[in-house]
Amino acid sequence: EVQLLQSGGGLEHPGGSLRLSCAASGFTFSNYAMNWVRQAPGKGLEWVSFITGGGGVTHYADSVKGRFTISRDNSNSILYLQMKTLRAEDTAVYFCAKCESNNGNDALDMWGQGTMVTVSS
Amino acid sequence: DIVMTQSPDSLAVSLGERATINCKSSQSVLYSSKNNNYLAWYQQKPGQPPKLLIYWASTREPGVPDRFSGSGSGTDFTLTISSLQAEDVAVYYCHQYYSIPWTFGQGTQVEIK
Repeated sequence: EVQLLQSGGGLEHPGGSLRLSCAASGFTFSNYAMNWVRQAPGKGLEWVSFITGGGGVTHYADSVKGRFTISRDNSNSILYLQMKTLRAEDTAVYFCAKCESNNGNDALDMWGQGTMVTVSS
Repeated sequence: DIVMTQSPDSLAVSLGERATINCKSSQSVLYSSKNNNYLAWYQQKPGQPPKLLIYWASTREPGVPDRFSGSGSGTDFTLTISSLQAEDVAVYYCHQYYSIPWTFGQGTQVEIK
């Protein structure tokens, strides 16, 4: 079955760290660029980060640049988002999302189920 | 950054009637040399991830009912649901993937009148 299964997340204090994972199955993971997109409670969608299929190119939203790191393990078909120096405004449901190709300028044709990250003291 | 603005924020349509959602980008998302508009539409139901409906502004994703259609070019785009069904109640988002940072519209809530 073609799917993205997310894990990680939870409650963390401001300034803390969390790592999100997204396990892919049913397709050749390394052939596709991947993204993280988040959605604050009751709000719209915000793109967070992008990585090419080989992992050599990454991009970040200004709101997370220098604090979040996207990476991937193609041998195990897993995408990661390491989040550090967390802030209250990082509270959101985080989705991993697959691009339709490796080049990045693509629609997002498959999404994980989402995982909640809450940053609160 | 390219700002995506949807209108209306919400609309209520009778079953079987047409629903139209507009999306305007602050700059063109048309890549002229490829003649492609880097614009997608997603549907999101409560508690679910977004689902891709339309890409390249007008290409329907496989499996999406043909009552959903996309049109437009450059900076002005439209998502049309030709005959609203009960299962179409959702929030709809437009998304530009022309340039980083990728951006989404604020969403349009579609309800049954």
